[in-house]
Amino acid sequence: GIQVEQSPPDLILQEGANSTLRCNFSDSVNNLQWFHQNPWGQLINLFYIPSGTKQNGRLSATTVATERYSLLYISSSQTTDSGVYFCAVFGSGGYNKLIFGAGTRLAVHP
Amino acid sequence: DVKVTQSSRYLVKRTGEKVFLECVQDMDHENMFWYRQDPGLGLRLIYFSYDVKMKEKGDIPEGYSVSREKKERFSLILESASTNQTSMYLCASSDRDSGNTIYFGEGSWLTVV
Repeated sequence: GIQVEQSPPDLILQEGANSTLRCNFSDSVNNLQWFHQNPWGQLINLFYIPSGTKQNGRLSATTVATERYSLLYISSSQTTDSGVYFCAVFGSGGYNKLIFGAGTRLAVHP
Repeated sequence: DVKVTQSSRYLVKRTGEKVFLECVQDMDHENMFWYRQDPGLGLRLIYFSYDVKMKEKGDIPEGYSVSREKKERFSLILESASTNQTSMYLCASSDRDSGNTIYFGEGSWLTVV
């Protein structure tokens, strides 16, 4: 099945710093989403981005489907950005199952 | 905004008890999912449903069953809870027609003692 790998596994930032999180996937996909899980466990959908680039405030994401990777950019990080960031893909063939990466754990210190 | 509501945030149950975890979504989504999340193992799909009364097994269905009698409600059932089912359980829903963007509930922390 499709493998989803995220890097780095852990990231520590000072408030105000920028960062890039990466998601690699092993096969063609027809869907890619980025999520943020806050310290209380809530998973928030950040981007649905099967290809191209999207921006939402300080966050942006780019997916290059032909090269099988996606990047999540966080600019001017804030302590509220702390948590775990997951990317997830649906496999090809229409099987309605989201496959998650292991996540990147981000800690932003004041 | 899409709202996925899980009825219980924190539960403590005894081994052997029957446990119901309820999930309700308010956006008329066709698809609903149950995941469990464990440290080091990430999110794993237990069951999903693509329509009322329809269900399919995910990666780890053993020890679980589900019920979808109404479109907005998807229940996860632990017939006889065991300690290895101590975990966080996440319900989610998605609309087939909107690119399958998926929305999660707040999670239910289950401890089986």
